[in-house]
Amino acid sequence: DAGITQSPRYKITETGRQVTLMCHQTWSHSYMFWYRQDLGHGLRLIYYSAAADITDKGEVPDGYVVSRSKTENFPLTLESATRSQTSVYFCASSESGVGTDTQYFGPGTRLTVL
Amino acid sequence: DQQVKQNSPSLSVQEGRISILNCDYTNSMFDYFLWYKKYPAEGPTFLISISSIKDKNEDGRFTVFLNKSAKHLSLHIVPSQPGDSAVYFCAATVTGTASKLTFGTGTRLQVTL
Repeated sequence: DAGITQSPRYKITETGRQVTLMCHQTWSHSYMFWYRQDLGHGLRLIYYSAAADITDKGEVPDGYVVSRSKTENFPLTLESATRSQTSVYFCASSESGVGTDTQYFGPGTRLTVL
Repeated sequence: DQQVKQNSPSLSVQEGRISILNCDYTNSMFDYFLWYKKYPAEGPTFLISISSIKDKNEDGRFTVFLNKSAKHLSLHIVPSQPGDSAVYFCAATVTGTASKLTFGTGTRLQVTL
């Protein structure tokens, strides 16, 4: 399927477990982003990547790890999940790093940490 | 420290009338502003944007106004349609900073019949 996809769409896990959220885009966009959406906070940037093997922290990176070995994939790992990481996670991509470039979002992953 | 604020969590408007969604920002470095629309169980989609060199940008039923001195922008939807019912996020960025967007908390718009 063309576009940007996320898997799983829904995930329930327990405190302390490792969880990986997947993001795949078919446009060969250089930039990819991970956001979390929480009530009262809007969307907050967790990590972003300018290209394969280049990643950088966003506003709320603590507790998360990212990697980008291939241009099209940008997985987000919660190494030891906590209840405060219960959220909806969105992956996005853009063609370039120019600030005016449109970001295209995936459908989101709803994560619940018990 | 919320740099982009949407002070109205929700708004209800009748079909055919104007919807006005507001957004305030505090960071004077922001020079490009965007509105995203989000339906339930979907990701946000880009709606309209405006550069700080302009004070208005129009795209069909959607117009964004920017008041730099007041650090305020607004999205006008005329006429409002039931399909416009969604959550609207205002976002801002400093161009040249790797597309990093700072989002507001969102306003839920409901367009009633």
